[in-house]
Amino acid sequence: DTEVTQTPKHLVMGMTNKKSLKCEQHMGHRAMYWYKQKAKKPPELMFVYSYEKLSINESVPSRFSPECPNSSLLNLHLHALQPEDSALYLCASSQDSLGLGRNSPLHFGNGTRLTVT
Amino acid sequence: AQSVTQLDSHVSVSEGTPVLLRCNYSSSYSPSLFWYVQHPNKGLQLLLKYTSAATLVKGINGFEAEFKKSETSFHLTKPSAHMSDAAEYFCVVRDYTGGFKTIFGAGTRLFVKA
Repeated sequence: DTEVTQTPKHLVMGMTNKKSLKCEQHMGHRAMYWYKQKAKKPPELMFVYSYEKLSINESVPSRFSPECPNSSLLNLHLHALQPEDSALYLCASSQDSLGLGRNSPLHFGNGTRLTVT
Repeated sequence: AQSVTQLDSHVSVSEGTPVLLRCNYSSSYSPSLFWYVQHPNKGLQLLLKYTSAATLVKGINGFEAEFKKSETSFHLTKPSAHMSDAAEYFCVVRDYTGGFKTIFGAGTRLFVKA
């Protein structure tokens, strides 16, 4: 079982809908990440939170809005998505993003399979 | 600049035979290297990591990898493939200049024939 929990597992939404993806970890990790993964491709980084502050936004369109309510939770709010946004969205966490962080592996959840119709 | 090259997009082996998945990296400093496995519709699971300790690293499910600095390689091996090993494998590099950046290889799909 993964130590990073993502909900929901599957989500189908229309282009005018508003929905949210949720991620939770209880490993005491201080860095949390959102990745997007298209079929047969490696994950692509979207956002990084470090100590609950957004530290990296990889030029992601504003229709994706991340939120980190506390050190254990990470949300991704979705609004006015396009069909090409359909993908597997993966949440990950790591012990730290600074210093020792380079030795700290990412721990991934099982993802949310998003389909935009 | 960091980069990771997985030399094979697909590898096919018979059950019970050895597995070799190849990975070469480029890094400005002493890197940390990882192998992950991803089964269909699942997240990525850490198999093993190299962080400048022993160059031969043992991981879960009988996998191991050897860090060879002179060849800038970190190939993944397993003595005997099992049907359950069929999955996508990603080689990943992080180094001191990477900060938050974690560089993924393109992935290698492992097929295991009965």
